[in-house]
Amino acid sequence: GAGVSQTPSNKVTEKGKYVELRCDPISGHTALYWYRQSLGQGPEFLIYFQGTGAADDSGLPNDRFFAVRPEGSVSTLKIQRTERGDSAVYLCASSLMAGHQETQYFGPGTRLLVL
Amino acid sequence: EDQVTQSPEALRLQEGESSSLNCSYTVSGLRGLFWYRQDPGKGPEFLFTLYSAGEEKEKERLKATLTKKESFLHITAPKPEDSATYLCAVQARANSKLTFGKGITLSVRP
Repeated sequence: GAGVSQTPSNKVTEKGKYVELRCDPISGHTALYWYRQSLGQGPEFLIYFQGTGAADDSGLPNDRFFAVRPEGSVSTLKIQRTERGDSAVYLCASSLMAGHQETQYFGPGTRLLVL
Repeated sequence: EDQVTQSPEALRLQEGESSSLNCSYTVSGLRGLFWYRQDPGKGPEFLFTLYSAGEEKEKERLKATLTKKESFLHITAPKPEDSATYLCAVQARANSKLTFGKGITLSVRP
């Protein structure tokens, strides 16, 4: 596709429920990143993949958060037992490869609201 | 720990009134400094990457500069369509993640 796409664009869920957020990176990009942005803040790193493997998951806040990228393209961010504090915009970005001064291009984000 | 501080938090300009946005950073080995523009309800849109002190890049009314401690985004004769939040981020040599500042919300009045 022309750019990074994310689905759904908005997600409303209840506290304690499980959610999945999907990211489709730019075609040919091997590196994929997840960030979280709270209101009035800059994006905060969660995890990144180089190919199928999670190269750095140091930003995941706790073990309720998990992400996969089984075929090295589409990625899914999974949040178990959601809490109200998980409400934020979840942004996905991709780059040709990790590091090496490669620009990260962002998708439009998924706005998650936990009631 | 890598840190990015942007100032001011918000800036209101009259159309045509030039100004500068500041990004101060500390990073253990800079790989690159990135500027993004973010419109309400949208994802960040890439503007510039700067790699070494002294480097400058320009695009239309925007010019980004870099020193060893800070970067400036100069806006010359801004227009209302330049209104947005401008985000600065650093990438360290040791990893690939971006560390962002809180952003500067720019409002340009006609």
